[in-house]
Amino acid sequence: GDSVTQMEGPVTLSEEAFLTINCTYTATGYPSLFWYVQYPGEGLQLLLKATKADDKGSNKGFEATYRKETTSFHLEKGSVQVSDSAVYFCALSDWAAGNKLTFGGGTRVLVKP
Amino acid sequence: EPEVTQTPSHQVTQMGQEVILRCVPISNHLYFYWYRQILGQKVEFLVSFYNNEISEKSEIFDDQFSVERPDGSNFTLKIRSTKLEDSAMYFCASSEEQGLGQPQHFGDGTRLSIL
Repeated sequence: GDSVTQMEGPVTLSEEAFLTINCTYTATGYPSLFWYVQYPGEGLQLLLKATKADDKGSNKGFEATYRKETTSFHLEKGSVQVSDSAVYFCALSDWAAGNKLTFGGGTRVLVKP
Repeated sequence: EPEVTQTPSHQVTQMGQEVILRCVPISNHLYFYWYRQILGQKVEFLVSFYNNEISEKSEIFDDQFSVERPDGSNFTLKIRSTKLEDSAMYFCASSEEQGLGQPQHFGDGTRLSIL
């Protein structure tokens, strides 16, 4: 079945540092890929998405590129802020197979001033 | 911005008791989902619901679970006889459509604690 693997945290960074969170996937079909973010005490919020190979999703300074050849969707941000401290989830869905989301384990990011 | 709302935020229940978790999806959304996250584990799909029917369910969603859309706004998850291992955060989600790349919008979750 489909699966998502992402790097384990916690990831601790200083403000203005570069952030990368690795995500790789296995899927039987041609999935859409998502990054969700969960701030403390809140639910999952969509951060960005990509639906086909070489698409780049971007939002709030975060970017991720759908790499079919390496089955990856790594999340990057060039200069993190304290407010980026959260748990980040990589996920995929295959709309032809019901559109359910399959999540990675989540990566906790802590940005220190 | 429209939100998915879930109540209660925290539910404590004795083992063996029935529990109903409530969700109000975004008003123009047609597809509804429940997920759960046991502490320290991945977010797992439970069930999807469309047009007053279950579209898909996971192995977790056994006979102890049921979902219902009792009126035009609420979407509920019932656990008939709770077990200790049902303790988890339960997330409701909804989406407008079910096409390519359609995002699901999540509520803040209900933390269910079984004693």
